[in-house]
Amino acid sequence: AQSVTQPDIHITVSEGASLELRCNYSYGATPYLFWYVQSPGQGLQLLLKYFSGDTLVQGIKGFEAEFKRSQSSFNLRKPSVHWSDAAEYFCAVVISNFGNEKLTFGTGTRLTIIP
Amino acid sequence: GAGVSQSPSNKVTEKGKDVELRCDPISGHTALYWYRQSLGQGLEFLIYFQGNSAPDKSGLPSDRFSAERTGGSVSTLTIQRTQQEDSAVYLCASSTQRGPQETQYFGPGTRLLVL
Repeated sequence: AQSVTQPDIHITVSEGASLELRCNYSYGATPYLFWYVQSPGQGLQLLLKYFSGDTLVQGIKGFEAEFKRSQSSFNLRKPSVHWSDAAEYFCAVVISNFGNEKLTFGTGTRLTIIP
Repeated sequence: GAGVSQSPSNKVTEKGKDVELRCDPISGHTALYWYRQSLGQGLEFLIYFQGNSAPDKSGLPSDRFSAERTGGSVSTLTIQRTQQEDSAVYLCASSTQRGPQETQYFGPGTRLLVL
């Protein structure tokens, strides 16, 4: 079965520093990949998604992600984090299954920003 | 326009009672998903509705859980004889259902606490 792994449970970075959140997937073909963010007490908001074409995807809030087929990875990056980026980040995959395009999520990475 | 809305925001109930959780999807969205977010299980798919088709109930954890979608719009998730392990945040999402690359838009969730 397909799965998504986020190896880092919790990451702490200084404001203004660069960020990379890791995501690995297991699936035979190219999956549809998503990054969502969940701020405290909020629902999930889509940051970006990849399904074909250019492997470097730009998203909202200055985030980008790169799909690397050879590494089965879809890591999320931001050159300079802001205090408002503190949240939980979820990588997810969709494997279309007879029309049920349900999201399969990783376990999430909690991001803490320090001054 | 308006996003996905869910009610109530919070629900506290006693073990053994029934609860109903409501989701109003974005107008015009034909696909509707319920997910559960809990400490032990992370984010997991529960049930999927698409138009007038039979729902995909493959993610429901037990027969105490059921859901319906009336008129292709509002959905209600019902949990009968609630147990403490049902305590979680229940998230609803909707999409236009034109393919696996389509974005699922999430509501703020209902936080359920079973005492």
